Amino acid sequence: EAQVTQNPRYLITVTGKKLTVTCSQNMNHEYMSWYRQDPGLGLRQIYYSMNVEVTDKGDVPEGYKVSRKEKRNFPLILESPSPNQTSLYFCASSLQGAVFYEQYFGPGTRLTVT
Amino acid sequence: GENVEQHPSTLSVQEGDSAVIKCTYSDSASNYFPWYKQELGKRPQLIIDIRSNVGEKKDQRIAVTLNKTAKHFSLHITETQPEDSAVYFCAATTGGGADGLTFGKGTHLIIQP
Repeated sequence: EAQVTQNPRYLITVTGKKLTVTCSQNMNHEYMSWYRQDPGLGLRQIYYSMNVEVTDKGDVPEGYKVSRKEKRNFPLILESPSPNQTSLYFCASSLQGAVFYEQYFGPGTRLTVT
Repeated sequence: GENVEQHPSTLSVQEGDSAVIKCTYSDSASNYFPWYKQELGKRPQLIIDIRSNVGEKKDQRIAVTLNKTAKHFSLHITETQPEDSAVYFCAATTGGGADGLTFGKGTHLIIQP
């Protein structure tokens, strides 16, 4: 089954404790992206990757890191989480760039930083 | 960068009536405008999209219109049904160097029985 998976689905952590949210897709998509969703703010892009070893900042990259060592995986790293990073996070992938190709979203990861 | 405004934030309609959600964008170079639907507790899913060389596109009860001169596009849902209740997001992209989607803040559509 073609899908985007994320782990964990729910995470409660404390300020400053490094964490990683994994994202994996099995559709051989070149483009992958991370979004955060906050009430009243919609979906905002954090980072994106056009292909392996190619990543770039989106609209809200501060406090986040990503890597794309393999085509199927695109982990999101919070080196020192803070309460303002409490949010619902979505990973997405598409065949190529966001233009003209449907983005397939993962199930989401709800992160709470206390 | 691109800025997308979406209205209204909440829309309540009677079952069977039509619903219209409107979005405006700022970057005249934007050329692709998708609409995503997010049901409660679920992931966003693409429902329809339109490219800048087309003025209107329909898919059964859903249609999208684009006015490039005014830089706005709209989602039209006819004969609304309970399963249409969800949050709808519009988005825009230039497909340029950033190659990412800029989303509107979303519209919570409520279908009243």
